[in-house]
Parts: sequence; C-alpha cells; structure tokens
Amino acid sequence: QSALTQPASVSGSPGQSITISCTGTSSDVGGYNYVSWYQQHPGKAPKLMIYDVSNRPSGVSNRFSGSKSGNTASLAISGLQAEDEADYYCSSYTSSSTYVFGTGTKVTVL
Amino acid sequence: EVQLVQSGAEVKKPGASLKISCKPSGYSFTSYCIVWVRQTPGKGLEWMGTIYPGDSDTRYSPSFQGQVTISADKSISTAYLQWSSLKASDTALYYCARRWVGPSYNWFDTWGQGTLVTVSS
Repeated sequence: QSALTQPASVSGSPGQSITISCTGTSSDVGGYNYVSWYQQHPGKAPKLMIYDVSNRPSGVSNRFSGSKSGNTASLAISGLQAEDEADYYCSSYTSSSTYVFGTGTKVTVL
Repeated sequence: EVQLVQSGAEVKKPGASLKISCKPSGYSFTSYCIVWVRQTPGKGLEWMGTIYPGDSDTRYSPSFQGQVTISADKSISTAYLQWSSLKASDTALYYCARRWVGPSYNWFDTWGQGTLVTVSS
C-alpha cells in the first residue's frame, strides 16, 4: 500500500487561505468517505482535525474544512494564523481493511 | 479526561526483544480499538496495525505483518507492541491511538505521547 501523495510544503501569510491536497486511488480515498486529517506540531502527537472527509471534531476551529473530489481529498485552512504552522497528514481507510497515511505537508506561516 | 499513556523511551541493541505499552484511561477499554503508528523522518506516519481489546482480534499492515506483535490485556486495560529481534531500521517514534470499534468509525481521535525506540549497537 503506497502512501497517499501530499505536497511537501505549503505556505501563506497570516489571514490568507491555503489548501493541502491528498491524492490516492479508487481503493482508498476515492472508494470511501473515510478520509481524516491530522495536525502535528513539532515534538507533539498528531491531533485529529477532520474526519469522514469534512467533519470537524468538537473543539476544532471552523477555519479548518475538508472536501473530496474523486481520488483527491483536500484540507483548507482559512484565516491562516501563526498557530497553524505545523505538519499535516491525511489518512484513508482502504479496500484491504487497512489504513494509509499521506506523505505529510509542512505548513509555513510567512 | 481521555488519555493514552505510553511507556518511556527505549535504547536497545540489534537482536534484542522489546515490548512497549499503551495504557488508556478515561473510557471503557473495550469500547475502542487501539492502533499503532510508526513515525520516522523519512517515511512520515505509517499505520502498523489495529487490535480490538474485547477479543484481541488484530489486523496488521502487510508492511509490518510478521515483524511485530500487537496484543492487549483487558484485565489491566493495556495494549502492547512488541518485537522479538530488533533491527536498526526499527528506530522510530511509535504512537498508539484509539478508534471507535464501529466499522464506520475510521479515524483516530486520541493519541498517546509517543515512545521513542532507538536500536543501535
């Protein structure tokens, strides 16, 4: 099972909006609405930000939103803030009843 | 408060055995599966496998099948990840996380703090 493909880095200025893509196949991202997104600050454990493509857990800012089209899922961050600077990983359930993570994206707030 | 507390960092020599633990609190141990995730600088996050503590039903990633053993002891509400013969390539940060047991719940909502395993001669 190959990792889902994410851009290595994305950057934006405070207040701007950015989007992170997560590309898989019809056996994972495209086949199920089971894409989740995780934020990881340096030295910290990952934190769930989005589940089931577009749902936010309680306590996660509504500046974070998720979507999916075909084999590509996306995480959008609006009103970029300094605290959003972190690594972001997508994850998907697969047709083999396993899970696969994305390659990870480093978000930099300029 | 829901927490997953993992055992401390380990330094081992190649060929040694190791068992690290993950002890949840704040919820019913058998209401959630425990997943193990490896993190390395080069490969990011990798799902290793999942165990349902209620009956110890376990599923492994093909990449880790036969390389590690995932287990759980529901009498003490603890999950484990173990190696019988460590290799230098097992050096990584290992996380446990929980997933609701239902088949439609495919996200990991709470994570442990991570256990750093270093394998070096």
